[in-house]
Amino acid sequence: EDKVVQSPLSLVVHEGDTVTLNCSYEVTNFRSLLWYKQEKKAPTFLFMLTSSGIEKKSGRLSSILDKKELFSILNITATQTGDSAVYLCAVEHPYTPLVFGKGTRLSVIA
Amino acid sequence: DGGITQSPKYLFRKEGQNVTLSCEQNLNHDAMYWYRQDPGQGLRLIYYSQIVNDFQKGDIAEGYSVSREKKESFPLTVTSAQKNPTAFYLCASRRGYGYTFGSGTRLTVV
Repeated sequence: EDKVVQSPLSLVVHEGDTVTLNCSYEVTNFRSLLWYKQEKKAPTFLFMLTSSGIEKKSGRLSSILDKKELFSILNITATQTGDSAVYLCAVEHPYTPLVFGKGTRLSVIA
Repeated sequence: DGGITQSPKYLFRKEGQNVTLSCEQNLNHDAMYWYRQDPGQGLRLIYYSQIVNDFQKGDIAEGYSVSREKKESFPLTVTSAQKNPTAFYLCASRRGYGYTFGSGTRLTVV
């Protein structure tokens, strides 16, 4: 059975801190790993990772995939209160729906 | 603008009633999905459809039903057989990589 495990499940940090969110997976026929940010309602797309060792960056957010060890990390530097959200990791394989982890709830306090 | 529209945003149901959640997309996507989200549980797949007039059960299909008579529409009915329907319901569609999500419907049983 496909499995995606995120850790920690929740995290509280102060503004300016750097955080690392983890996602490990056990999936047959892996195609890609995706990260989403969910604030109130619809998750919004952050990154899609298909190759090991290639870092994807967007502003203060970055992510990398390790296909040998079957995990990915999402880093957020210089956190702001607007980064407070649930961060979802999902794994994709051909022709079947995304498999999601339980998410990490990040709270950034001023 | 292309996107996915879910309605209503909030829905209250009495025990024993069936209710239908609407999901419409104008993205010309073939595949559509329904997920349920409970606190601390991530997204769990209810049903999905990869083509008109065809759909498959997800991990938690019991107590739910769907139809896919048109490419644009994928309504979800929560039946009285669903014992704990209070949750946040997300609809998504896909063409190629990744998902586009609707804004969700929050269903509460009163």
